[in-house]
Amino acid sequence: GENVEQHPSTLSVQEGDSAVIKCTYSDSASNYFPWYKQELGKGPQLIIDIRSNVGEKKDQRIAVTLNKTAKHFSLHITETQPEDSAVYFCAATDSWGKLQFGAGTQVVVTP
Amino acid sequence: GAGVSQSPSNKVTEKGKDVELRCDPISGHTALYWYRQSLGQGLEFLIYFQGNSAPDKSGLPSDRFSAERTGGSVSTLTIQRTQQEDSAVYLCASSLETGTYEQYFGPGTRLTVT
Repeated sequence: GENVEQHPSTLSVQEGDSAVIKCTYSDSASNYFPWYKQELGKGPQLIIDIRSNVGEKKDQRIAVTLNKTAKHFSLHITETQPEDSAVYFCAATDSWGKLQFGAGTQVVVTP
Repeated sequence: GAGVSQSPSNKVTEKGKDVELRCDPISGHTALYWYRQSLGQGLEFLIYFQGNSAPDKSGLPSDRFSAERTGGSVSTLTIQRTQQEDSAVYLCASSLETGTYEQYFGPGTRLTVT
């Protein structure tokens, strides 16, 4: 089955700096890679996703890149703000939609 | 429009009791997923439904766990004879169909087994 590894487990950044979270996956059949943001006491919120036919996708301050050959994908947050503080999860899925999640990254943005 | 809703938001139960957790998906979404998030661990897939059928139950931790979905909408996850290790947040997500469609999560049900 699919195995997703996520690094780092914690990330502390100064407000205004960039944050990068990296994930690797094992199943070459995986073709959809969403990223979720989870704030304390809430369910995960989909923030961006990428499909295997695309190498990069951007939405305002967040971007995701995918390298299918190396089986890794990354989340980039630019100009970080305190409200970006949360736990971020990467995930991968095959055609059935069963998401396999990474272990999560606790991002702390300090003013 | 309304998102995924789950009830109850919190449930405290005694070891050995049965519990039922409810998920109300986004209207029109045919696929529904259950995940479990334990403290200090990630999100773990439990079961999914396409319509009312559950093609893959392999993620259910034991035979004390079961789920059903009727009318292609609301789903209930039942845990029988609860154990302390069942304590976790149970999350439900729905998507337009199964496959590579966006999954939207509900707020979860926090289950505590004492």
